[in-house]
Amino acid sequence: GAVVSQHPSWVICKSGTSVKIECRSLDFQATTMFWYRQFPKQSLMLMATSNEGSKATYEQGVEKDKFLINHASLTLSTLTVTSAHPEDSSFYICSASTELPWSYEQYFGPGTRLTVT
Amino acid sequence: DAKTTQPPSMDCAEGRAANLPCNHSTISGNEYVYWYRQIHSQGPQYIIHGLKNNETNEMASLIITEDRKSSTLILPHATLRDTAVYYCIVTDSGGGADGLTFGKGTHLIIQP
Repeated sequence: GAVVSQHPSWVICKSGTSVKIECRSLDFQATTMFWYRQFPKQSLMLMATSNEGSKATYEQGVEKDKFLINHASLTLSTLTVTSAHPEDSSFYICSASTELPWSYEQYFGPGTRLTVT
Repeated sequence: DAKTTQPPSMDCAEGRAANLPCNHSTISGNEYVYWYRQIHSQGPQYIIHGLKNNETNEMASLIITEDRKSSTLILPHATLRDTAVYYCIVTDSGGGADGLTFGKGTHLIIQP
């Protein structure tokens, strides 16, 4: 159980276009979802936290108008990279957690590799 | 969340126990020690967590010193598939209410 999927697993887009990445919890309801970004040979950096039905909370330095997050249901969160540029090329990873009392971990998706040309 | 310090890399022979240290000298009383690992180009995977007592599950054991200022993750019989970056994370959210702060981790390489 506790599987998180991401779609697509990789995407190549042209500079100036927008890209949407989906994160789904397949067998549980995720009250909170997180989006991370990982550049080559670096660690994961938290971008934002989203709770179902409310606006996402962005980490300092992350542009909320560029990285649009929608958490419309308890099983789906989307990250849209708007007007993508080559410097946005990165590995984007989502994770999900629940409010269940025995829940003690975040469940991570497999990641989406974005390349902007 | 308290900061952690880990060696950047370690080697271990296949079949031997891999012992990964983590220093968290500024940990506070309500903070847990979590371990995740990330195999190349995949999302992180939860391994184990603890507060004060030593913990064991099917993947690993976690040894926390009495003063809680450091801990060791033990993979009892390392295999090639255990090659990954291992992250030690200290957090008071206890499960996922807050995002995780990943340090640089330890790149564990299991040698055949």
